[in-house]
Amino acid sequence: QLQLQESGPGLVKPSETLSLTCTISGGSISSSSYYFWGWIRQPPGKGLEWIGNIYYSGRTSYNPSLRSRVTISVDTSKNHFSLKLSSVTAADTAVYYCARSTYYDLWSGYLPEGGWFDPWGQGTLVTVSS
Amino acid sequence: DIQLTQSPSSLSASVGLRVIITCRASQGISNYLAWYQQKPGKVPELLIYAASTLQSGVPSRFSGSGSGTDFTLTISSLQPEDVATYYCQKYNSVPLTFGGGTKVEIK
Repeated sequence: QLQLQESGPGLVKPSETLSLTCTISGGSISSSSYYFWGWIRQPPGKGLEWIGNIYYSGRTSYNPSLRSRVTISVDTSKNHFSLKLSSVTAADTAVYYCARSTYYDLWSGYLPEGGWFDPWGQGTLVTVSS
Repeated sequence: DIQLTQSPSSLSASVGLRVIITCRASQGISNYLAWYQQKPGKVPELLIYAASTLQSGVPSRFSGSGSGTDFTLTISSLQPEDVATYYCQKYNSVPLTFGGGTKVEIK
């Protein structure tokens, strides 16, 4: 059974860079040509915001609202992918989730930027504060 | 960007009743819509994709319909374990966007 687990610092200072890693178990990033791997965040008490997706080849797709500050990368040798968000402020305080996003489905065909998200990691709270 | 508007933002209903949640897109998105359930303090879980395809393992009391701009998530007989916030998500184009959520409670 595929499982995803986020890891990284729970506290980041304003103006610094938030860095998280999502480690996959029960499956391989490089053998999953039908999927993207994505990051989604949820500020406390608020809704969900998509950050971006990455394919195992390294091709990325970002939310335009965050593109200037986001970098998502993949390390197939370690079976994980990572998120970097620069110049953080208190508004970036959120639970950060990693998830698998469908790239190809028999009925939907190719979804070039990604599709629905399943499964999700447990999430990790990142607080931006000095 | 295409916006998703869910209604109502919250509802309270008795056990056994039918519940309908609506998600409206500001432009047509064909059937590129998913629904998620997030129970209090838990991780979102996929219920439905492609507007009406039930994810494996999801109870059959959940169903989805719609195409274009108007979509619905129906719980045919509300159960206590369905207390959660429900989100729709579009994936026809970037940015992938979620609706604002509908909080469902038991009356």
